[in-house]
Amino acid sequence: EDQVTQSPEALRLQEGESSSLNCSYTVSGLRGLFWYRQDPGKGPEFLFTLYSAGEEKEKERLKATLTKKESFLHITAPKPEDSATYLCAVNMHTGTASKLTFGTGTRLQVTL
Amino acid sequence: GAGVSQSPSNKVTEKGKDVELRCDPISGHTALYWYRQSLGQGLEFLIYFQGNSAPDKSGLPSDRFSAERTGGSVSTLTIQRTQQEDSAVYLCASSLFEADTQYFGPGTRLTVL
Repeated sequence: EDQVTQSPEALRLQEGESSSLNCSYTVSGLRGLFWYRQDPGKGPEFLFTLYSAGEEKEKERLKATLTKKESFLHITAPKPEDSATYLCAVNMHTGTASKLTFGTGTRLQVTL
Repeated sequence: GAGVSQSPSNKVTEKGKDVELRCDPISGHTALYWYRQSLGQGLEFLIYFQGNSAPDKSGLPSDRFSAERTGGSVSTLTIQRTQQEDSAVYLCASSLFEADTQYFGPGTRLTVL
């Protein structure tokens, strides 16, 4: 069965304390892996798309990487405004479908 | 430019009533998706439209749920005879074409009393 698992469920960091979030997946035929950020009461905000193992994308303090089994979202010197839930999702080759399968997210809190 | 918009932002209804949720995708996006996010759970796929056709309805939880898309643009998700377990945030997303990046709207929070 296709699965997407994110860890940890929750993470508390001090401002400036770098860390990584993990997204592991077991899917047949990956079309793309997506990272989103979700603030309370809002819809997911797109961050990155990764298509093949070895690919990396960066934006400000965030860097996403992809292997054949997992993806990491590295957060360098985080600030309180980086506090949010980070969601990982995969798009699979499923014939007629083009849906995203989401993990349950990592709730990140960055304190001063 | 304008993003995905959804209305209403909040809907409170009584058990057994029908509700309609609306989604306006980003202009020019051919693909449109509905998801549901329940408290403490991940996003759950409901249905996908390519143009006005729905190639994948596999995520609709029961026959009380239906959706349509007209003019390759606006979509409506209808829930008939609502139940308390239907309470959730319903999210709509659109993408330029199938398998492209999906951009989400703000969601409609549905509460069934």
